[in-house]
Amino acid sequence: DQQVKQNSPSLSVQEGRISILNCDYTNSMFDYFLWYKKYPAEGPTFLISISSIKDKNEDGRFTVFLNKSAKHLSLHIVPSQPGDSAVYFCAASAGNQFYFGTGTSLTVIP
Amino acid sequence: NAGVMQNPRHLVRRRGQEARLRCSPMKGHSHVYWYRQLPEEGLKFMVYLQKENIIDESGMPKERFSAEFPKEGPSILRIQQVVRGDSAAYFCASSPRTGFSSGNTIYFGEGSWLTVV
Repeated sequence: DQQVKQNSPSLSVQEGRISILNCDYTNSMFDYFLWYKKYPAEGPTFLISISSIKDKNEDGRFTVFLNKSAKHLSLHIVPSQPGDSAVYFCAASAGNQFYFGTGTSLTVIP
Repeated sequence: NAGVMQNPRHLVRRRGQEARLRCSPMKGHSHVYWYRQLPEEGLKFMVYLQKENIIDESGMPKERFSAEFPKEGPSILRIQQVVRGDSAAYFCASSPRTGFSSGNTIYFGEGSWLTVV
């Protein structure tokens, strides 16, 4: 049973525009959420996180929004750059385990 | 390099052989996680270990797969009698402490790519 879902397998965005990646979860016990970025043949790298007590966290061009009532979080990248092209995984945690989505492949077109 | 170290990066095994994947966590980290990524799929949790203890192995296949994290040395993911379906990328991650409510983060290694021929 997939507790964390990324329903868009791919997304293409023009350079300079906003990229919005979405993630839904089913378990209301999740209290910490993270986004990871992954290039081919490399391990995922941590990007940004948010605690369930917040609804927004910003770090430079990256902002994560959390809507607990909808069990939905999103990652906004603005402005998007070609180097942002990668697979983005969202993850949710309760206790000692992370649950990952299936990833969204972002392509930023120059 | 103080990151999570995995080796080998690439491993080719014939069906029926054994595969051993090693993971050294980041310095100061005592919690290790193994994830598997099958082609065209996301990251699937396999096992969570602390030194000398398996904490959660709910994601491990019941047969042929085992993991350990000894008091000294790296964590080992062992796959016996490999089959073609075991071909995947295996990622190790580590964290400094239990629980993530306080903002803990896990850090991944570069991965080990297993190919079964």
